[in-house]
Amino acid sequence: AQTVTQSQPEMSVQEAETVTLSCTYDTSESDYYLFWYKQPPSRQMILVIRQEAYKQQNATENRFSVNFQKAAKSFSLKISDSQLGDAAMYFCAYRSAWGTDKLIFGTGTRLQVFP
Amino acid sequence: NAGVTQTPKFRILKIGQSMTLQCTQDMNHNYMYWYRQDPGMGLKLIYYSVGAGITDKGEVPNGYNVSRSTTEDFPLRLELAAPSQTSVYFCAGGADSSPLHFGNGTRLTVT
Repeated sequence: AQTVTQSQPEMSVQEAETVTLSCTYDTSESDYYLFWYKQPPSRQMILVIRQEAYKQQNATENRFSVNFQKAAKSFSLKISDSQLGDAAMYFCAYRSAWGTDKLIFGTGTRLQVFP
Repeated sequence: NAGVTQTPKFRILKIGQSMTLQCTQDMNHNYMYWYRQDPGMGLKLIYYSVGAGITDKGEVPNGYNVSRSTTEDFPLRLELAAPSQTSVYFCAGGADSSPLHFGNGTRLTVT
C-alpha cells in the first residue's frame, strides 16, 4: 500500500522569505500523481500544485514550486516570497494513475508566517 | 458554479443517534469520496464510489454506510453515533486524472 509522510508538523517563515515543506512517499507504482493541498482555518481544501510522475520537469504555480525526486520518492514544496495569507495546514497527497483515483494524504505541516 | 456541496456545516449528535451527511456535485464526476479529518491529522478515506450503483470501503469504514443511487449524490450515513466519530467530514469528487474537488466540510461532534 502507498504511504505519504510529512515529517515536519510545524514550520515557520518570515514574510517575504522562502520556506520548503518536505514530503516523502512510498509506492511500487511507476505512474502516479502528487499534490499539495492548502487548508486555511476556513477548512477548505485548496489545490496548490500538482505533479505527474512521468514528467521530469518540476511543476510551478506562481510563488509555489516543487522539487520532485522520483528515485528518492521525495516531493517538497517551496513557497517563495511568503505572504501572511500562506499561513495554513499543507497536505501532501498521492494518487495512483490507475484505479479509483483516491487520494492518500500525509499528516500535514502547519505553516506560520510572521510579519 | 457550485462544485461539491455538503450539508450540514455543523452538527451535534448524542451517542446512539443517527444522521446522514449529504453530498452533491454538479460536475458530472464519476468518482466520489468521503474522508474524515481528526484534529491535527490528515484525511482518511471512509468510503468511495466509482459510479452510480458502485461503492467500496476505504481505510476507516466501520460505523458508516454510503449509497450512490445517482451520479450527483453520495450521502454518508452514521447509524449509531459514537464519540470516536467526532471529526470533520469532507466529500470530494473527481474524474480521470483531474484533481479532486472538495466540499467545505461538516464538523460533527458526538457527545
